[in-house]
Amino acid sequence: EAQVTQNPRYLITVTGKKLTVTCSQNMNHEYMSWYRQDPGLGLRQIYYSMNVEVTDKGDVPEGYKVSRKEKRNFPLILESPSPNQTSLYFCASSAPYRGLYEQYFGPGTRLTVT
Amino acid sequence: SQQGEEDPQALSIQEGENATMNCSYKTSINNLQWYRQNSGRGLVHLILIRSNEREKHSGRLRVTLDTSKKSSSLLITASRAADTASYFCATALPNAGGTSYGKLTFGQGTILTVHP
Repeated sequence: EAQVTQNPRYLITVTGKKLTVTCSQNMNHEYMSWYRQDPGLGLRQIYYSMNVEVTDKGDVPEGYKVSRKEKRNFPLILESPSPNQTSLYFCASSAPYRGLYEQYFGPGTRLTVT
Repeated sequence: SQQGEEDPQALSIQEGENATMNCSYKTSINNLQWYRQNSGRGLVHLILIRSNEREKHSGRLRVTLDTSKKSSSLLITASRAADTASYFCATALPNAGGTSYGKLTFGQGTILTVHP
């Protein structure tokens, strides 16, 4: 089944404890992206990757890191989480056709930082 | 500020009625997409309209795009209780070289409730 998977789905952690949220897709998509969703703010793009070893900042990259060492995986790293990073996180992937990016979303990771 | 902003923020209708949601944006775009999200779940792509298109249909969905007004609308005809969800528009920047066209900006969404 074609899908985007995220792990963990739920995470409660403490301020300053490094964490990684994994994202994997089995559709051989070049493009992958991370978003956070907060009430009243919609989805905001954190980072995106056009292909392996190519990553770019979205609208809210501060406090996050990403890497794209292989096509199927795009982990999101929080080196020193803070309470304002409590949010619902979504990973998405896409196979661009003529520059168009219809995105397939993962199920989400709900992160709480205390 | 948000590139895409939806209006209304919430919409409540009866089954069988049509639902119209609007999206406004600020800068030039390559394309505009509409997504649906059931409570707390991942988004599902509904329809994409390119900047040189004015109208597009998919089943009970009709999307229009007015680039002169920088606005789009999503019409769901003959709504069903199962259409109850949040609907988001998302805009993609023009391909101006580099990787900027990978940047997708979402609006805040419209919460649609369809009563049986």
